[in-house]
Amino acid sequence: GESVGLHLPTLSVQEGDNSIINCAYSNSASDYFIWYKQESGKGPQFIIDIRSNMDKRQGQRVTVLLNKTVKHLSLQIAATQPGDSAVYFCAQRTGGFKTIFGAGTRLFVKA
Amino acid sequence: EAGVAQSPRYKIIEKRQSVAFWCNPISGHATLYWYQQILGQGPKLLIQFQNNGVVDDSQLPKDRFSAERLKGVDSTLKIQPAKLEDSAVYLCASSPAGTSGNNEQFFGPGTRLTVL
Repeated sequence: GESVGLHLPTLSVQEGDNSIINCAYSNSASDYFIWYKQESGKGPQFIIDIRSNMDKRQGQRVTVLLNKTVKHLSLQIAATQPGDSAVYFCAQRTGGFKTIFGAGTRLFVKA
Repeated sequence: EAGVAQSPRYKIIEKRQSVAFWCNPISGHATLYWYQQILGQGPKLLIQFQNNGVVDDSQLPKDRFSAERLKGVDSTLKIQPAKLEDSAVYLCASSPAGTSGNNEQFFGPGTRLTVL
């Protein structure tokens, strides 16, 4: 079946450094990808998205890269801050509806 | 703008008991979703409503789970009877439009269910 998975379950970075969170997906027909941030005790929060006809999209301090050739998605966070500590999920959507989430990567930011 | 509201926030029950969760989506949002999030995993879609109709319930264990959204606004998710493996956080989300495009979902805080 479809799957969206992450390479690393945890990532620890120093405050101020850049973070890169990676994700692999299996369904090449997916047309839309999303990154979510989930803090403890809260629901996932949308960070940034990208459509399959793009390979890069930038937001405020975040960049998403999509490599359809190897079915890989990454989230880059510039100048990581303590408030960025959370679990990050990549998700894919095919045909405009069901969103399939990966397992998540926990990001720890060391002060 | 108020977010997605869920209640209760926590619930502890014994196996074979029944439980119900309530969700109030963001005002005007046509689409409502219920997800199950087991500890250490990503959310898994259980059911999706468009107004008061079911769009997708393919992953809902229908022998014990049921959900309704009678007036196209609030929704309830029920488990009867509960099993140990139902222990999870149940997340409700809503989105403004239909099922096309980049329809951003807004999540509530979830209900943490513990089945003993």
